[in-house]
Amino acid sequence: AQKITQTQPGMFVQEKEAVTLDCTYDTSDQSYGLFWYKQPSSGEMIFLIYQGSYDEQNATEGRYSLNFQKARKSANLVISASQLGDSAMYFCAMREPLLRSNDYKLSFGAGTTVTVRA
Amino acid sequence: GAVVSQHPSWVICKSGTSVKIECRSLDFQATTMFWYRQFPKQSLMLMATSNEGSKATYEQGVEKDKFLINHASLTLSTLTVTSAHPEDSSFYICSAGVGLFNQPQHFGDGTRLSIL
Repeated sequence: AQKITQTQPGMFVQEKEAVTLDCTYDTSDQSYGLFWYKQPSSGEMIFLIYQGSYDEQNATEGRYSLNFQKARKSANLVISASQLGDSAMYFCAMREPLLRSNDYKLSFGAGTTVTVRA
Repeated sequence: GAVVSQHPSWVICKSGTSVKIECRSLDFQATTMFWYRQFPKQSLMLMATSNEGSKATYEQGVEKDKFLINHASLTLSTLTVTSAHPEDSSFYICSAGVGLFNQPQHFGDGTRLSIL
């Protein structure tokens, strides 16, 4: 069974500063993928960034980057230059393969609530 | 980009009522759809996986007779909460897969269900 661990229930960050959200995972698969989603208080899930286990470089998407340390089984999300609109809950998730399908289901971590202060 | 529409956004109804929630992929055909339940300040819990034309696969502990899932087409899946009670009150959210392991699932905006 796969497991995702997010140990930070909540974090405060000053506007314009960077923040790192921790995510560790446990899997015996060689091929796996990790996703980060943002969930504002309105509830929708917004995809941020993806890292595949065989990707040689750390993923980056605008102000979001992923610090992927395969040996340590960690995939921390870094948000640079925080904005007030970044205040939300952030989830790390790992894909689990579905039988006879190219689709997958997601296992989510507990989430981290980020509050950006002006 | 891929859009998933979920309807209704919120519903309040009396105990004993059955409530249907729709999840539609608007501009793509979803190979698989997923239903999640989320309590306040908690993570998303996968309830079931559904494919068009076949029975849904429920996660352990999810009552099949309570949460009926119908996947009538490649663009529509429905979740019906039967004979809903206050403990069924929650945030329900669907997602749709596109059949590519390195592409994200696309989520609907969720449904807030309150049973009085």
